[in-house]
Amino acid sequence: QSALTQPASVSGSPGQSITISCTGTSSDIGSYDLVSWYQQHPGKAPKLIIYGDSNKRPSGVSNRFSGSKSGNTASLTISGLQAEDEADYYCCSYADSTTLFGGGTKLTVL
Amino acid sequence: QITLKESGPTLLKPTQTLTLTCTFSGFSLSTDGMAVGWIRQPPGKALQWLALIYWDGDKRFSPSLRSRLTITKDTSKNQVVLAMTNMDSTDTGTYYCAHAKWNQNEFDYWGPGTLVTVSS
Repeated sequence: QSALTQPASVSGSPGQSITISCTGTSSDIGSYDLVSWYQQHPGKAPKLIIYGDSNKRPSGVSNRFSGSKSGNTASLTISGLQAEDEADYYCCSYADSTTLFGGGTKLTVL
Repeated sequence: QITLKESGPTLLKPTQTLTLTCTFSGFSLSTDGMAVGWIRQPPGKALQWLALIYWDGDKRFSPSLRSRLTITKDTSKNQVVLAMTNMDSTDTGTYYCAHAKWNQNEFDYWGPGTLVTVSS
């Protein structure tokens, strides 16, 4: 199984919205409502920000973060960009008794 | 409050076996539905899922690393141990353990990670 495909980088200005895509296959994203998203700041452990079939957010995570899925592609949208959103973002999907991560996307807030 | 922390060697020589321990609190791996996973990250690169062990002893492994990995749990000590054989320089990176649940795929609590360097 290959890693999920994410754009290497995205950027946006404060207040804008951005979307990060995560493309898989019919064997992972397309078959299961088990996609999660993680935010990672430099030198820190990843932090869960979106999970589950209804694209839920853990307690304490801003509602500026939202997730969606269509076919074999999942997406993370961040609205009202803030400076602290600058980080690396990873998608993750269940895939038939295994787990796949995406290659990661670096978000730059201009 | 769930916390996890990784411990183990920081420097290994090629061909050696890595043994990492994840010590956790705030949950028990004897409780139905609980799981602990291991994920690693080479310097400057993406996360890579390695293995997962469930409360009932069931185990899952990355297909590409299955032959090199062992995962065990010690419920009485609240610990999970990951072993990886035949280490080489490409295995250098930060190793994380994380809490998960059966039938869900997210890792909701993570340890701070431990950097493992493989060098002769």
